[in-house]
Amino acid sequence: DGGITQSPKYLFRKEGQNVTLSCEQNLNHDAMYWYRQDPGQGLRLIYYSQIVNDFQKGDIAEGYSVSREKKESFPLTVTSAQKNPTAFYLCASSTDWGGTQYFGPGTRLLVL
Amino acid sequence: SQQGEEDPQALSIQEGENATMNCSYKTSINNLQWYRQNSGRGLVHLILIRSNEREKHSGRLRVTLDTSKKSSSLLITASRAADTASYFCASDNAGNMLTFGGGTRLMVKP
Repeated sequence: DGGITQSPKYLFRKEGQNVTLSCEQNLNHDAMYWYRQDPGQGLRLIYYSQIVNDFQKGDIAEGYSVSREKKESFPLTVTSAQKNPTAFYLCASSTDWGGTQYFGPGTRLLVL
Repeated sequence: SQQGEEDPQALSIQEGENATMNCSYKTSINNLQWYRQNSGRGLVHLILIRSNEREKHSGRLRVTLDTSKKSSSLLITASRAADTASYFCASDNAGNMLTFGGGTRLMVKP
């Protein structure tokens, strides 16, 4: 069953805490992406990775960090420096740059 | 920065009617894509139209692209209640990453 998965579905963060969102794909895609979506809004790019061991900042990278140690995995850490982290986070992957993106089901992050 | 902007932001129609959504973008593109998002879910790719194409069909979907006006439209014919969702355009601007618009929220009433 091929696809892209995200976990957890819901995540609660306490003040000053770092939290990590998981994204895994078994589509053998080189490129992976993290987006943030606020209610009623479009997607904003946080980070992207075109190939393993390489990643680049997107439009709103401040307060976030990523790693790409394996082709299948692209975890996103929301650090305590991100002052307004409440949002819906979407991970995606694609075979090549600018091609069709395949999205995971998303993680909703809430602040306690 | 948002490359694409959808119009209208929200659309409410009756089942069986056609729904038209428009998208404008700012710079030259390689292709333009349309995605659908059900509430609280991930996005699903619907259709891709390349910069040298003017029209493309997929089932009840029809997409047009006018590169001179930097605009695209998505037409859903004979809409169904199950078409209720948000629809996003995304432009691949010549070697850069996909940039998504703000979306059109479509409500199809049974």
